[in-house]
Amino acid sequence: DIVMTQSPDSLAVSLGERATINCKSSQSVLSSSNSKNYLAWYQQKSGQPPKLLIYWASTRESGVPDRFSGSGSGTDFTLTISSLQAEDVAVYYCQQYYSTPPFTFGPGTKVDIK
Amino acid sequence: EVQLVESGGGLVQPGRSLRLSCAASGFTFGDYSMNWFRQAPGKGLEWVSFIRSEAYGGTTEYAASVKGRFTMSRDDSNSIAYLQMTSLKTEDTAVYYCTRARGCSSISCYMDVWGKGTTVTVSS
Repeated sequence: DIVMTQSPDSLAVSLGERATINCKSSQSVLSSSNSKNYLAWYQQKSGQPPKLLIYWASTRESGVPDRFSGSGSGTDFTLTISSLQAEDVAVYYCQQYYSTPPFTFGPGTKVDIK
Repeated sequence: EVQLVESGGGLVQPGRSLRLSCAASGFTFGDYSMNWFRQAPGKGLEWVSFIRSEAYGGTTEYAASVKGRFTMSRDDSNSIAYLQMTSLKTEDTAVYYCTRARGCSSISCYMDVWGKGTTVTVSS
């Protein structure tokens, strides 16, 4: 199984500042056949289900604000919130869908306001 | 509006059974593969099961932790997915989420729609 790790475990950022979350997979999730990275990012606010933010490592889901962006390839990925808003307080998870089953998630990164 | 609504959760004793349902609306249910995920209290997300659309055989996959105990099925005529859970253990206690899978090649999909979840508590 592919193991996903995230760093940091939590971070506190001032409103309007940048938040950066890192995700690493134990093996590459880049497909040589289509050059796509099978990596998604989800946001989970307290008491709510997860919400898809990013897929194919960098494609923003429809309706997701453009302050959210994903980057990276192979085994190392980043989710960036360019200007943190109060409504962005949540836990963020990365998930690989390259080698399935099983679908595996990172342990999550909690983002708070400083 | 695309929507998934889970039901069937509750308090159950260890060793007993429970069936969860996921009612879909706002999209052509039969065109999509579906999943169940779960989240134990204060913990992260865990994949439970996957069912392909009938176009891809309607076959299923399970996490090792539930294989042999849980069975996922689908009723495309009524747009419902099910999760039959037997021989329940205390470690199955969690919120169970139904999800729609998108962008699939075989089972390699991301989850674009999540239900609000239903809570299963296994305790004596």
